[in-house]
Amino acid sequence: GAGVSQSPRYKVAKRGQDVALRCDPISGHVSLFWYQQALGQGPEFLTYFQNEAQLDKSGLPSDRFFAERPEGSVSTLKIQRTQQEDSAVYLCASSLAGTGGYEQYFGPGTRLTVT
Amino acid sequence: KQEVTQIPAALSVPEGENLVLNCSFTDSAIYNLQWFRQDPGKGLTSLLLIQSSQREQTSGRLNASLDKSSGRSTLYIAASQPGDSATYLCAVRDNAGNMLTFGGGTRLMVKP
Repeated sequence: GAGVSQSPRYKVAKRGQDVALRCDPISGHVSLFWYQQALGQGPEFLTYFQNEAQLDKSGLPSDRFFAERPEGSVSTLKIQRTQQEDSAVYLCASSLAGTGGYEQYFGPGTRLTVT
Repeated sequence: KQEVTQIPAALSVPEGENLVLNCSFTDSAIYNLQWFRQDPGKGLTSLLLIQSSQREQTSGRLNASLDKSSGRSTLYIAASQPGDSATYLCAVRDNAGNMLTFGGGTRLMVKP
């Protein structure tokens, strides 16, 4: 079956622009996660959805970052007024259920470069 | 706050060697631990998932162990091949939440 997909794969934005990054999780997966990975580092948690409910947004670095999953499937991560420090790879992951020790499956990521 | 550390940060070995990658975490109240592989410019591929009640998991030439009480996990790669060259990441899921906390990764190069 299809894995987690993300679009676009690459995004270049001028400082101050707004961007929207899309994640299509594996069909039927209840949980969806967003992570940010700076160059040469491990991913860091941003936010977590269970179905359409955003249960944890403690990792969002500022109020310029906003995520939604209105129908409990596709999710969008929006960054307003992008800044250079937002340059990173944004990874989306999904897992089968919100509870239990299920694996997280990751998409290929969106590489955002802010110039 | 959970912190995950991976040592070494980079490793270069000749083909055929057996090798061990180390991962340590500060809070032993974990739900599970996952090892991932990341190729340059690509996403993460899950290699092994160890539940907190398990001591080890094996897949092919890979064996991962977990010692929860001491906050350590190791990934053993047998008979390394050039195709094993990648960054290896370990990540823990705490009992308190659903997200993963990652280490900084070990960048492995296996030379032919």
